[in-house]
Amino acid sequence: DIEMTQSPSSLSASVGDRVSITCQASQAIKTYLNWYQQKPGKAPELLIYDASYLETGVPSRFTGSGSGTDFTFTITSLQPEDIATYYCQQYDGVPSFTFGQGTRLEIK
Amino acid sequence: EVQLVQSGAEVKKPGESLKISCEGSGYTFANYWIGWVRQMPGKGLEWMGFIFPGDSGTRYSPSFQGQVTISADKSIATAYLQWSSLTASDTAMYYCARIRPSRGHFDYWGQGTLVTVSS
Repeated sequence: DIEMTQSPSSLSASVGDRVSITCQASQAIKTYLNWYQQKPGKAPELLIYDASYLETGVPSRFTGSGSGTDFTFTITSLQPEDIATYYCQQYDGVPSFTFGQGTRLEIK
Repeated sequence: EVQLVQSGAEVKKPGESLKISCEGSGYTFANYWIGWVRQMPGKGLEWMGFIFPGDSGTRYSPSFQGQVTISADKSIATAYLQWSSLTASDTAMYYCARIRPSRGHFDYWGQGTLVTVSS
């Protein structure tokens, strides 16, 4: 099975900062990489699919990039409502799926 | 509007059986995979398995194979996750989610079902 290594596990930043999270796959997965936001007490929500495509209705300050084994998720200007835990998720086409360990984002 | 509505919270004793549900609406239920995801208290997301309601084909994560059973009734647009004998380690929030078959992203999620197993 493909393993996902997500870092950092937690992150503290100020409003307006640029924030980045990385995810590394143990094998190449083309662009089958997705990013989710989970706010406390809520179900996860899809933000980015296929590594770089913004889900409908998601603010454009959320971006994704990468292919193969290395991927990056960026919030270009952190807002107070972005406080959440973020997860990457891979799809290997077998089909099976794996989530990263999560990154807890806090405001300084 | 696509919606997945899950059954309510459950409190069970060790050794008991349980079946929770996930009802889809606003789309053709038979045409999309439905996945189940576990989130233990204070922990991350774990993919458990999925079903394709069109033919009831299933696939499980190795970590959950033999531990749970996923099924679906496409005539009532409902998927199920069941246990034959619960243990305390099954205490968690369980989410169902619709999966886009060709690209593998979980695009719509249910609200979650909290399962508590305690003697």
